[in-house]
Amino acid sequence: AQSVTQLDSHVSVSEGTPVLLRCNYSSSYSPSLFWYVQHPNKGLQLLLKYTSAATLVKGINGFEAEFKKSETSFHLTKPSAHMSDAAEYFCVVSEETNAGKSTFGDGTTLTVKP
Amino acid sequence: SAVISQKPSRDICQRGTSLTIQCQVDSQVTMMFWYRQQPGQSLTLIATANQGSEATYESGFVIDKFPISRPNLTFSTLTVSNMSPEDSSIYLCSVPTGGASSSGANVLTFGAGSRLTVL
Repeated sequence: AQSVTQLDSHVSVSEGTPVLLRCNYSSSYSPSLFWYVQHPNKGLQLLLKYTSAATLVKGINGFEAEFKKSETSFHLTKPSAHMSDAAEYFCVVSEETNAGKSTFGDGTTLTVKP
Repeated sequence: SAVISQKPSRDICQRGTSLTIQCQVDSQVTMMFWYRQQPGQSLTLIATANQGSEATYESGFVIDKFPISRPNLTFSTLTVSNMSPEDSSIYLCSVPTGGASSSGANVLTFGAGSRLTVL
């Protein structure tokens, strides 16, 4: 069984300040972990993916996430928020070989203030 | 990665009617997935559309309510039958980014979604 918990439903930051979106997971095997972003009226886009290689994963648009097995966490960070980062972010856990067995977190809405 | 076209992008429907959503992929894929995203909520997998066989439905979803067709490796439809306001959601089509092989390809590419409002 697998599950994912996004600890914040809403995060608000000022432009130029750091972003932290928190995600904890539970899995009975070595999981693959993802962050997806959904802009208004758009489909989901992959930000980054962890698959048991380097624990610090760099993604698109300056985002990165660190896999911490001891804490069962996969938090998403960005050093400096941009207005265009305002969107919904989903943390996802998946079996290594079956894309259909992906479990989505409830999502975190990121608001970026000017 | 694959490019997915979904239509309609949005629609407003009357209670009791049915609507069919189309999903076209620009490459051949073995598996296609249909997700539902209810207002303010996360994504829930409805079913996996398999070419040449019946779709595989997740718990809580049934074929009579969400019939799926998969006539070839690039196309699928999802019908939302006998709609009620509770069916108002975004419906998303998705495929493994790895393309025709699902093995090891657990990254998903999504269509832009079809936003249904049922009155």
